[in-house]
Amino acid sequence: AQSVTQPDIHITVSEGASLELRCNYSYGATPYLFWYVQSPGQGLQLLLKYFSGDTLVQGIKGFEAEFKRSQSSFNLRKPSVHWSDAAEYFCAVGAHNTDKLIFGTGTRLQVFP
Amino acid sequence: GAGVSQTPSNKVTEKGKYVELRCDPISGHTALYWYRQSLGQGPEFLIYFQGTGAADDSGLPNDRFFAVRPEGSVSTLKIQRTERGDSAVYLCASSTTGGQGETQYFGPGTRLLVL
Repeated sequence: AQSVTQPDIHITVSEGASLELRCNYSYGATPYLFWYVQSPGQGLQLLLKYFSGDTLVQGIKGFEAEFKRSQSSFNLRKPSVHWSDAAEYFCAVGAHNTDKLIFGTGTRLQVFP
Repeated sequence: GAGVSQTPSNKVTEKGKYVELRCDPISGHTALYWYRQSLGQGPEFLIYFQGTGAADDSGLPNDRFFAVRPEGSVSTLKIQRTERGDSAVYLCASSTTGGQGETQYFGPGTRLLVL
């Protein structure tokens, strides 16, 4: 069965520092992978997605993610974090033969000034 | 244009009561999804509509949960005989036509509290 693991429940970084959020997936074929961000009181917003082609994907708000098949990973990165990036981040995989998304448990990002 | 909207934003009910949660998808989107997000967890899939029909209802936890989309637009999630364990944020999403890899646009959710 497909699954997503986000090993870090909570990450704290200083504003201006670089960021990497980890995501590992379990899937039998080429996966569809997504990163969503959820701010308090807001709906989930898509940051970026991967389903084929270039393994380095650019998204909104300066985020990027790299698909590594050998490591079953799809880590999210940002070179310089802004205070407004504080939120909950979810990695998700598109399930096989259905359109539903399977989400990880999320990583809460806290940004210190 | 308008995004996905959900009403009510908050709902408090008593154990054993019946509740209905409404979702208005983005205009023209044929695919509609319901997810449930418990505290400290990621969203969990409940049901997916393609047009008026439920294409996948494998995530509905039991027969107390039911969802409809009679005209292929607005959807209602219905929960009978609510239990305290049903307390969660219920999220609705829509996409243009459905299909793997297509972006799902989420609403702000309905926070349900069962006392």
